Formats: sequence, C-alpha cells, structure tokens
Amino acid sequence: GQQLNQSPQSMFIQEGEDVSMNCTSSSIFNTWLWYKQDPGEGPVLLIALYKAGELTSNGRLTAQFGITRKDSFLNISASIPSDVGIYFCAGRRGNTPLVFGKGTRLSVIA
Amino acid sequence: DGGITQSPKYLFRKEGQNVTLSCEQNLNHDAMYWYRQDPGQGLRLIYYSQIVNDFQKGDIAEGYSVSREKKESFPLTVTSAQKNPTAFYLCASSIQQTDQETQYFGPGTRLLVL
Repeated sequence: GQQLNQSPQSMFIQEGEDVSMNCTSSSIFNTWLWYKQDPGEGPVLLIALYKAGELTSNGRLTAQFGITRKDSFLNISASIPSDVGIYFCAGRRGNTPLVFGKGTRLSVIA
Repeated sequence: DGGITQSPKYLFRKEGQNVTLSCEQNLNHDAMYWYRQDPGQGLRLIYYSQIVNDFQKGDIAEGYSVSREKKESFPLTVTSAQKNPTAFYLCASSIQQTDQETQYFGPGTRLLVL
C-alpha cells in the first residue's frame, strides 16, 4: 500500500529549540492529520487539517496543509522534554483509509 | 468516559495458536480499524470496517481475521497462519470514513510469540 514520505526519520535537539518536520506524497490528499505517540501507547491526535493552505495551531504546535495538497508540515516551538516521542503524519483522499508516514522520532536534550 | 479500549495490554502466544485481541469503543463511531506497528515501519492497515457486519482487507490482511457483529466491537484474531505475529497492535475508530473525519486510537496490545 501507499505510504507517505516523512522526514526527518529522527531528530536530536536541545531543549528550547524549534522543530520542523514534513510529509510529502505523490497523490493529492483532502485531509492531513498529525499524531504523537509515546512509547507503548497509542497515537494521540495533535492537529487535523482539511483545506489546502490551512495553517492551524495547538499550543506550541503549528501545522500547515500544503498548497499543492501533496504535503504538510509540523512545527514545534520552544521544545520541552515532554515533546519526546514519535510524530506521525497521515493523509486521506475521499472515502479511503488513512495513509501513514513512518514517523519522526524526536529526542530532546535538556 | 468515552474512548477506545483494547485488552489485554500484553498478550503471549505459543507457536501454532490462534489468539484474539479485543477492541471496544463507546464513541458511537461507525468505522473501526486494526493496524500493526513494527519498529521503523510506521502503521500498516490490517482490516477495517465501515459498518456492522461488513469489513474489508487492508494492506497486510493475510494471517488475520476479524468480525463486526456489534457497532462498538471489532475483535482481531491472529491465526497460526501469521508467520511473524510479534508486534504492537492498534485499534482505531472514526465517526465515518470520509474526508472530514478524524481517527482516534486505542492504547494498543503488544503480542509476543513464545
């Protein structure tokens, strides 16, 4: 099945730094979702995007739905230790199951 | 409390045994999903169901079976035909499977083969 290209695969950053990650697809999507997963737990929804060009924030997190509808970006500002985890993007087109990226593993050094 | 529950948290299976993973939701969602997660592989779709008494194969359905007899329940059976069943299994649900619907996940079940 199709998968999204998510990058980077992993990141090591200092506490307080900003973080940026992205997902790209060869197909157009109508929905982009961003999730965070802590070790041994299920993914938790962070931000949902439904419109090309849409920019949505959730606290220190900001995500954008790319104009081409083939990409999406997630930014985390002023990272803190609890931001550690795996971040997944997911996209959907029409009445089909979500397609997931392979995740970005974020490590924060205090 | 509304949400998705999966049980058990950890499950051990002997070689050649079938085992069933439970997934229950009280969110009144129509659509339910099962994913398998392996390290570095992201989430891979096993089966999904958009309505009671109906379900479709996902990308990696071989060696698995499901049923959807009730709206709130979507159990997954890992059969002995699944050659590499050790993984983290995630159940999810959404109101419907449409563009505008977001998907929510349960806490997961880790299956280990002895």
